[in-house]
Amino acid sequence: KAGVTQTPRYLIKTRGQQVTLSCSPISGHRSVSWYQQTPGQGLQFLFEYFSETQRNKGNFPGRFSGRQFSNSRSEMNVSTLELGDSALYLCASSLGPGTEGEKLFFGSGTQLSVL
Amino acid sequence: SQKIEQNSEALNIQEGKTATLTCNYTNYSPAYLQWYRQDPGRGPVFLLLIRENEKEKRKERLKVTFDTTLKQSLFHITASQPADSATYLCALDGGSARQLTFGSGTQLTVLP
Repeated sequence: KAGVTQTPRYLIKTRGQQVTLSCSPISGHRSVSWYQQTPGQGLQFLFEYFSETQRNKGNFPGRFSGRQFSNSRSEMNVSTLELGDSALYLCASSLGPGTEGEKLFFGSGTQLSVL
Repeated sequence: SQKIEQNSEALNIQEGKTATLTCNYTNYSPAYLQWYRQDPGRGPVFLLLIRENEKEKRKERLKVTFDTTLKQSLFHITASQPADSATYLCALDGGSARQLTFGSGTQLTVLP
């Protein structure tokens, strides 16, 4: 079974631009979560989608948004990029509510650099 | 406010010894706790999950304990190998199943 796929792997943008990151979950997984990882703050929860609905949202500004499609694939968007948005963005999939649904399976991430 | 602390940023041990990593938390009442392994440039990999009503969980050379009174989890790797070298993260549910709060991690190096 294929793992979680994130594209692109690396991305370089300039301040003020916007960016869209993509995530394909493991087949059969209906929940997709996004995390931001930086050396200073570690792993921080952005949001979670299940059945195309955002179920939870972390403490990030409205510039960070996401969506989930009917095939469970997900995208996250960051608008008006700031230097501090430079980070590794990780997508994780899981089965969803119920037993075993707490286990997260992470992709390798998208390394975003904002210049 | 909620806080998770992992005992040290880095831990070096000799091959064959048991590595013990600590995760302490405050202002939490988690339903479960998880441990993940992360290698450089990769996403975290799930290792073990232990629920609040469980004291101990084992998987091959890995063992995790969970003491809700002490608000502490211990993660053990027995007969450690250089391939076990990685950063290990503990994570607690943040009130919702997939909204995990992660510790800052402990970088383990197993010396041959």
